[in-house]
Amino acid sequence: AQSVAQPEDQVNVAEGNPLTVKCTYSVSGNPYLFWYVQYPNRGLQFLLKYITGDNLVKGSYGFEAEFNKSQTSFHLKKPSALVSDSALYFCAVRDLTGANNLFFGTGTRLTVIP
Amino acid sequence: DADVTQTPRNRITKTGKRIMLECSQTKGHDRMYWYRQDPGLGLRLIYYSFDVKDINKGEISDGYSVSRQAQAKFSLSLESAIPNQTALYFCATRSGSEQYFGPGTRLTVT
Repeated sequence: AQSVAQPEDQVNVAEGNPLTVKCTYSVSGNPYLFWYVQYPNRGLQFLLKYITGDNLVKGSYGFEAEFNKSQTSFHLKKPSALVSDSALYFCAVRDLTGANNLFFGTGTRLTVIP
Repeated sequence: DADVTQTPRNRITKTGKRIMLECSQTKGHDRMYWYRQDPGLGLRLIYYSFDVKDINKGEISDGYSVSRQAQAKFSLSLESAIPNQTALYFCATRSGSEQYFGPGTRLTVT
């Protein structure tokens, strides 16, 4: 069965510093991995995805994620955090059997401190 | 988010009441989903639909039912609401590998 884990409920980072939000996955076969962001009182918004190809994936708002097969990780990163990046971040993996549904992690709340 | 709309945005109801949450989309996507979000649990899939005639249960469908009235409309019903159905509910559509989420309905069952 497919699953993702986000080991940190909360991440705090100072504005201007690099940020990392961690995600590890468990799948049988090649993973399709996603990051979504949820701003207050909004639905989830797609940030980026890894399907195949380069291990470093670039997405919206300056975010990127690094796929690491040996560590089964897909960490979200940004070189310089903004206060406006404060939000709830979800990692997700696609179920490649049948329905192709997404399985979401429990979410990590990122707070960027001015 | 404006392409996927949900009504109501907030609802407070009493235990035992029947309630319907509505979702509409203007994206023309065939695939639609209902999720619930609970703190510390992330999003969990309730039901999904690949087209008007194809509706499937997700991982937590007990206590819920759905109706796909048209390609653009997918409603979620709680037949007899209970307090542990208090949550944030999201509708989503899908095209290719991306899902597009509505703004959510915050439901409180007292």
